[in-house]
Amino acid sequence: DIVMTQSPDSLAVSLGERATINCKSSQSVLYSSNNKNYLAWYQQKPGQPPKLLISWASTRESGVPDRFSGSGSGTDFTLAISSLQAEDVAVYYCQQYYSPPLTFGGGTRVEIK
Amino acid sequence: EVQLLESGGNLVQPGGSLRLSCAASGFTFSSYAMSWVRQAPGKGLEWVSAIFGNGASTYYADSVKGRFTISRDNSKNTLYLQMNSLSAEDTAVYYCAKSPYYDSSGTNFDYWGQGSLVTVSS
Repeated sequence: DIVMTQSPDSLAVSLGERATINCKSSQSVLYSSNNKNYLAWYQQKPGQPPKLLISWASTRESGVPDRFSGSGSGTDFTLAISSLQAEDVAVYYCQQYYSPPLTFGGGTRVEIK
Repeated sequence: EVQLLESGGNLVQPGGSLRLSCAASGFTFSSYAMSWVRQAPGKGLEWVSAIFGNGASTYYADSVKGRFTISRDNSKNTLYLQMNSLSAEDTAVYYCAKSPYYDSSGTNFDYWGQGSLVTVSS
């Protein structure tokens, strides 16, 4: 199984400042035949289901604000929120979809400092 | 608008059984793979099971293999999860989640239901 490890577990950032979340996979999720990283990011607000933010490590879903960006390749990935807004308070998860069993990182809680 | 509505969650005794349903609307249900993902209270997300659009292929997490069965009725636009031999470790909110693809075993999830709570306790 591919193990997904997120860091930090939580972080507190001032409004308007940058937040960065890391995700590391135990093996590469880059599929060589199409050069795509099978890595997604989700946002989960309290009492709500997860919401897909980013697919293919760096492709924002429709309607997702451009302050959210994903980067990385192979085994190391980053989700950045360029200017934190109050509505961004949530837990963020990475997920690999390179191969089943599909696995998620443990989550990173983002709060306002 | 895509909508996924889970039902069937309840309090069940250890060793018992339960069947969850997920009614889908707003998209061509038979054209997409579907999954169940669960979240234990205060914990992270755990993928449970997936099924292809035509129901021909199914996949399970090791933690539920042999106890849970995923199925779908494309004529009713409904996804199911039959859960047997339940234990306290199965206590969680169970989400129905849609794949952007018809038949990929490796998928992300573009739409999620609101979830159905399953509590296993005596």
